[in-house]
Amino acid sequence: AQSVTQLDSQVPVFEEAPVELRCNYSSSVSVYLFWYVQYPNQGLQLLLKYLSGSTLVESINGFEAEFNKSQTSFHLRKPSVHISDTAEYFCAVSDSGNTPLVFGKGTRLSVIA
Amino acid sequence: DTEVTQTPKHLVMGMTNKKSLKCEQHMGHRAMYWYKQKAKKPPELMFVYSYEKLSINESVPSRFSPECPNSSLLNLHLHALQPEDSALYLCASSQETGDEAFFGQGTRLTVV
Repeated sequence: AQSVTQLDSQVPVFEEAPVELRCNYSSSVSVYLFWYVQYPNQGLQLLLKYLSGSTLVESINGFEAEFNKSQTSFHLRKPSVHISDTAEYFCAVSDSGNTPLVFGKGTRLSVIA
Repeated sequence: DTEVTQTPKHLVMGMTNKKSLKCEQHMGHRAMYWYKQKAKKPPELMFVYSYEKLSINESVPSRFSPECPNSSLLNLHLHALQPEDSALYLCASSQETGDEAFFGQGTRLTVV
């Protein structure tokens, strides 16, 4: 079964600084990869996804993630964070759409003014 | 319409009560899910329905009973819950199992 590791449970960062949230998954077979964001007392919102094709995927609000098959990673990056980016970020994986999403434990991003 | 709608948003129930959580989507998705999320934890999969049939039950206690009346609706019937069942219950849907999942805002359940 797939598993996802998010090594950092909390990441504090100053406003306008860059950030990287790390995600590694367990298997090298064909996978779909996702990053979701959750604000307090809300559901999860899809930030970006990798299904196939270009290994670099981008979101509309400046986040990007790169699929690295050899390192089984899908790290999330943003060159300059805003206060409004403060939230919980979950990485998720499925076996190319054949299995439900499996979530990592989440990373709490706290942006400091 | 790209929304998954969950009702109620908040629910307080006693341990002897029977209540139901409801979820609705009109995106034509064939897979629907119930997740349970405790504070500061990731969502935990409870049930998966694919084409209106229960395809996955993650060993959830029988006091939780899912139901899929049609392709747009998903219910979770609750009976004789315990205080440790208090959590945020999230419904989600996707085109097929394992595709990008769309989540509702959740029902915050408190069992007293």
